Amino acid sequence: ETGVTQSPTHLIKTRGQQVTLRCSSQSGHNTVSWYQQALGQGPQFIFQYYREEENGRGNFPPRFSGLQFPNYSSELNVNALELDDSALYLCASSFRLRTVVRTASYEQYFGPGTRLTVT
Amino acid sequence: RKEVEQDPGPFNVPEGATVAFNCTYSNSASQSFFWYRQDCRKEPKLLMSVYSSGNEDGRFTAQLNRASQYISLLIRDSKLSDSATYLCVVNQFYFGTGTSLTVIP
Repeated sequence: ETGVTQSPTHLIKTRGQQVTLRCSSQSGHNTVSWYQQALGQGPQFIFQYYREEENGRGNFPPRFSGLQFPNYSSELNVNALELDDSALYLCASSFRLRTVVRTASYEQYFGPGTRLTVT
Repeated sequence: RKEVEQDPGPFNVPEGATVAFNCTYSNSASQSFFWYRQDCRKEPKLLMSVYSSGNEDGRFTAQLNRASQYISLLIRDSKLSDSATYLCVVNQFYFGTGTSLTVIP
């Protein structure tokens, strides 16, 4: 296994509520990326955190926010949940060298995901 | 135009067959390329990185064609256990929609 863990495994929320998802990165990794995967689609990049700062962001609204902690674990927060937010949320950890640009070749290792259902 | 495009399949092949998937990308300056495998309702697992010189790991061969902007994955001697969705990834963040493979006994 990758050593990347996520919690909770499953979650059911009501439209308009807020949710926090958690991810612990693999030992030795300093970067966490979050993805949303709808049924039948590939993962869509939400954002990446490197050394506690947001390092890049996909095409997601500001109600998707995150944090990275000194131990490199991370949270994804989603406010004002919408029905379309129902998806599998994946985090991936990787190791990034400080001097290398964002698009360099980093292998990512995924956690098992959190399946969010918004009703 | 999407960053990454894949034929979703499905590909249904008999055991022992050779099957190939392609994945095209739009950004000619792309630097990194990967193939992941995803089983039903599981997380993606890294299958292999794709280097400019190509990459081979057992029955799996990945190649990069920069001129035509595509990467490929070749699976030889298909096993039942190869049945999964195969995702290509460009520049770490951009995933294709995945190609579904079913290997039939």
